[in-house]
Amino acid sequence: QKEVEQNSGPLSVPEGAIASLNCTYSDRGSQSFFWYRQYSGKSPELIMSIYSNGDKEDGRFTAQLNKASQYVSLLIRDSQPSDSATYLCAVNMGDTDKLIFGTGTRLQVFP
Amino acid sequence: SQTIHQWPATLVQPVGSPLSLECTVEGTSNPNLYWYRQAAGRGLQLLFYSVGIGQISSEVPQNLSASRPQDRQFILSSKKLLLSDSGFYLCAWRTVFSEAFFGQGTRLTVV
Repeated sequence: QKEVEQNSGPLSVPEGAIASLNCTYSDRGSQSFFWYRQYSGKSPELIMSIYSNGDKEDGRFTAQLNKASQYVSLLIRDSQPSDSATYLCAVNMGDTDKLIFGTGTRLQVFP
Repeated sequence: SQTIHQWPATLVQPVGSPLSLECTVEGTSNPNLYWYRQAAGRGLQLLFYSVGIGQISSEVPQNLSASRPQDRQFILSSKKLLLSDSGFYLCAWRTVFSEAFFGQGTRLTVV
């Protein structure tokens, strides 16, 4: 089992729709979770961090964490073509300093 | 504010040649430092991380090595490059359990 898993996509959604991105992780002791956006040829940019079970909202983005199910998700409301990118889930493994990334989900928002 | 510098931006090297990539961080003390590699169309693979001067944890040793000679300097090296070493190399810094911030990356092509 991979440490952090994501569906590679592409996930295609129309402009204005909600995009839902999912991530699962293997280490039940993990406490820190992050979502990044990466445009082609560029380095990843932080979107959100989440540390507690439940939802965390920031503008059009909502991160959801369920530690019992070892599941993290990112919702993007009112998706825009500029949101088209690869979205990476990152998990701090247990109480170590290892920060592991999933393979990313490619999101395509069409007009 | 904190900044991270990574150079060079692009590099073309022949098979069997040595490699040295450097990363420096400004505006913070005792950061955790990370080297990741991203093959074309793939996710981020953790190569090395460091929690302090001279402390290196290796995830994928192969023919690469890392060193941290100063608190805010992290170096990735190889004595003899392989074709499979081609990729996008990313340096990142973070404080304990927090989000990571990336440099601009080095695109390495081994020919």
